[in-house]
Formats: sequence, structure tokens, C-alpha cells
Amino acid sequence: SQQGEEDPQALSIQEGENATMNCSYKTSINNLQWYRQNSGRGLVHLILIRSNEREKHSGRLRVTLDTSKKSSSLLITASRAADTASYFCATASWNNNDMRFGAGTRLTVKP
Amino acid sequence: DAGVIQSPRHEVTEMGQEVTLRCKPISGHNSLFWYRQTMMRGLELLIYFNNNVPIDDSGMPEDRFSAKMPNASFSTLKIQPSEPRDSAVYFCASGPDKPWEQYFGPGTRLTVT
Repeated sequence: SQQGEEDPQALSIQEGENATMNCSYKTSINNLQWYRQNSGRGLVHLILIRSNEREKHSGRLRVTLDTSKKSSSLLITASRAADTASYFCATASWNNNDMRFGAGTRLTVKP
Repeated sequence: DAGVIQSPRHEVTEMGQEVTLRCKPISGHNSLFWYRQTMMRGLELLIYFNNNVPIDDSGMPEDRFSAKMPNASFSTLKIQPSEPRDSAVYFCASGPDKPWEQYFGPGTRLTVT
């Protein structure tokens, strides 16, 4: 069963603009991760944020986590056409030894 | 490292046939996961192994699906008999111990006619 829910389901922006995607989850987590999937390919791990962290950066990526609201956001700054992909959040709980993925946000960056 | 290796990349079979998907995880990773992805249901976790032992197979759709991991470098997912609704992309992923960062293979696109 899915844990995270991303929104929006689809996002279309112009190159150079920032893209923000959100993820909400239901149960207590150990960490939350964001993955990218290009069409027809496997998922690629982008960034992991632990439950005791509030913000994390990696290059043009910025992830925030609000455990009180059970939500996370992924910000991609200065987007490029190559950022076009689906983005998934995945949660790892304290109790279960697995991860649950959301349905993903389909991002299109127009050149 | 070559990453997670899956074979075959594409499989087309007729309903009722047995299908075997294969996965070689990244060397040194202790955990292995099998997922199924469809447009309708998204990415579903089918089963995961830790140190070659199945930990949770609650995501396996029904008895027609079975998975094995005979050693640390090989796993199979078998569907017998296959049905058209099994058509999907099947991903294998491996990871080190917790916190469960996963590395995905390229997937096997299965079409059952």
C-alpha cells in the first residue's frame, strides 16, 4: 500500500523557474526520501532527510520536512529541461523495515 | 560497480506461461526489493529480503507470484501461471542496511497476451 501522497500530480513550468512538489504521509517515519524516474527507467535516489532534520540541500535541490504536519517538500531551483521526470517521495517507518512510495509528481520543464 | 542488473529487459509471453524475472543486486548490499509499476496502481512493493531472508511478502498479489533469494547475489521473481493483468514493469532494487536508500535496476517490462 502507498504511504506518501505527492501533489500536484503534474506540474509544467518554463526552464529557469523553480519547481515545488509536496508529499504528505500518514504514519511516524524514520526518514523520507525523494527519487526521480525518467520515462522508461528505474528510480534514482536524490536525497534523504531524517525525521530529526528540517531542511537539507543537495545542489539545486532543497528538501524540507515538517513532522508535525507529516509533510515534505522538494524544491528544484533554476529548473532545466533535463529535470523533466516523475518525482516520488518514499517513507521509511520506525516499525517496518521497508519503504513506501507515493504516486509521484510528473514534472515537465519546457525549454 | 555495474549497479543492479535485471534480466530480461523485455518479456512478452502468452497467458498461462511461466515467467521468471532475475535480479543481481549491488555487491555488498544486504537488502533486496521487488516492485511492480503500472499506470493504474503506481509503484507497489511486492516483497523484500534482508540478508537473503524474505522479511515481508504481504505485497505479493497472489499465490501465482513467488520470489526467492538463494544467495546474496541473485534473486528471482516467478509468476506461474501468468495473466494479462500481470503486465507491468517489474523493478528490483537493492540497498545497504537501514536507512534504506535504494538503488533501482532498469526494470523488466512484462507483457502477457
